[in-house]
Amino acid sequence: EDQVTQSPEALRLQEGESSSLNCSYTVSGLRGLFWYRQDPGKGPEFLFTLYSAGEEKEKERLKATLTKKESFLHITAPKPEDSATYLCAVQAWDSNYQLIWGAGTKLIIKP
Amino acid sequence: DAMVIQNPRYQVTQFGKPVTLSCSQTLNHNVMYWYQQKSSQAPKLLFHYYDKDFNNEADTPDNFQSRRPNTSFCFLDIRSPGLGDAAMYLCATSRYSGRDNEQFFGPGTRLTVL
Repeated sequence: EDQVTQSPEALRLQEGESSSLNCSYTVSGLRGLFWYRQDPGKGPEFLFTLYSAGEEKEKERLKATLTKKESFLHITAPKPEDSATYLCAVQAWDSNYQLIWGAGTKLIIKP
Repeated sequence: DAMVIQNPRYQVTQFGKPVTLSCSQTLNHNVMYWYQQKSSQAPKLLFHYYDKDFNNEADTPDNFQSRRPNTSFCFLDIRSPGLGDAAMYLCATSRYSGRDNEQFFGPGTRLTVL
């Protein structure tokens, strides 16, 4: 069964304290892995798509990496405005464009 | 800017009173999706359209219906809202292609059922 698990559920960091969020997945043929950021009361905001193991993408303080079993979202020197829930989703080749979502990691950056 | 727009942002209805939520997009994407998201949960897909082809998720209640009159617009109708239907409703769009088919979301409509 296709499945996505994110850890930790919540993460509190001090401003400037780098860390990583994990997204483990099981899927029958990965078409793409997606990272989104969601602020309270808003729709998810697209961050990255990763397609194959070894691929990396960066945007400001965020860097996403992909292996055959998991993806990491590395946050370098975070700021309070990086506080949000980060969602991971995967799409399989036989999925008819549907996404399988993780439950998210709630990130809180304290000043 | 190209975007996904949802109206209204907040909707209050009474138990059993029909409600319609709307979504429009200026991205010219083929695929449009409706999701339900409850507090601290992942979005749950209700249905999606590829152009005018409608795809219903097996566990989407019959109480939920959708219409897509043209490429730009999509509507979610909740025929008889119950207390359990209170949630954030998200509209999303994506291209139909082998790659670059990430979904772009609107701001959501927060539905309250009294």
